[in-house]
Amino acid sequence: SQKIEQNSEALNIQEGKTATLTCNYTNYSPAYLQWYRQDPGRGPVFLLLIRENEKEKRKERLKVTFDTTLKQSLFHITASQPADSATYLCALDFSGNTGKLIFGQGTTLQVKP
Amino acid sequence: EAQVTQNPRYLITVTGKKLTVTCSQNMNHEYMSWYRQDPGLGLRQIYYSMNVEVTDKGDVPEGYKVSRKEKRNFPLILESPSPNQTSLYFCASSRPGTQWYEQYFGPGTRLTVT
Repeated sequence: SQKIEQNSEALNIQEGKTATLTCNYTNYSPAYLQWYRQDPGRGPVFLLLIRENEKEKRKERLKVTFDTTLKQSLFHITASQPADSATYLCALDFSGNTGKLIFGQGTTLQVKP
Repeated sequence: EAQVTQNPRYLITVTGKKLTVTCSQNMNHEYMSWYRQDPGLGLRQIYYSMNVEVTDKGDVPEGYKVSRKEKRNFPLILESPSPNQTSLYFCASSRPGTQWYEQYFGPGTRLTVT
């Protein structure tokens, strides 16, 4: 079965630094990969989507890469701010355009001022 | 405002007492889904629906039922709740074919079964 791994340990960084979060997956290659942000007790909020034929996608201070050979996506937040502190989830669709997403457990990011 | 709403937001109930958690979206989305989120297990899909009258099991469907009689509503039914269904539940919707399944999530329903 498909498996998604995100670093379960919290990532603590200093304000202004770049945060890098990792999402690894096994078995079949997904058609696309999404990243979400989740604040405590709230629903996830969509951030970025990257397709299997794209290497990199950017949105403001966010950057996502997708390496289908390594079966890995990296999520970067540049010039991080305390307001970026949250849990970040990656989600993959292994079923091919059915919208059935499988989520990773998420990595909690803490940005210290 | 485009949104997904869930009711109730908080619910404490007893084992065996049937309950329904409602979910409604105002974005005319075809796709809707229910997830549960538990510490250490992440978000797991319970059921999803590709359109009206079309539903399918997710990864953890046991003990749950759903129906999709209208496009905007997708209620989650627990016929006989048990303590292991204590969890945080999220409803989500999206429109297949545009934005490649960006999902919009509701605010969550925290359910406690004693």
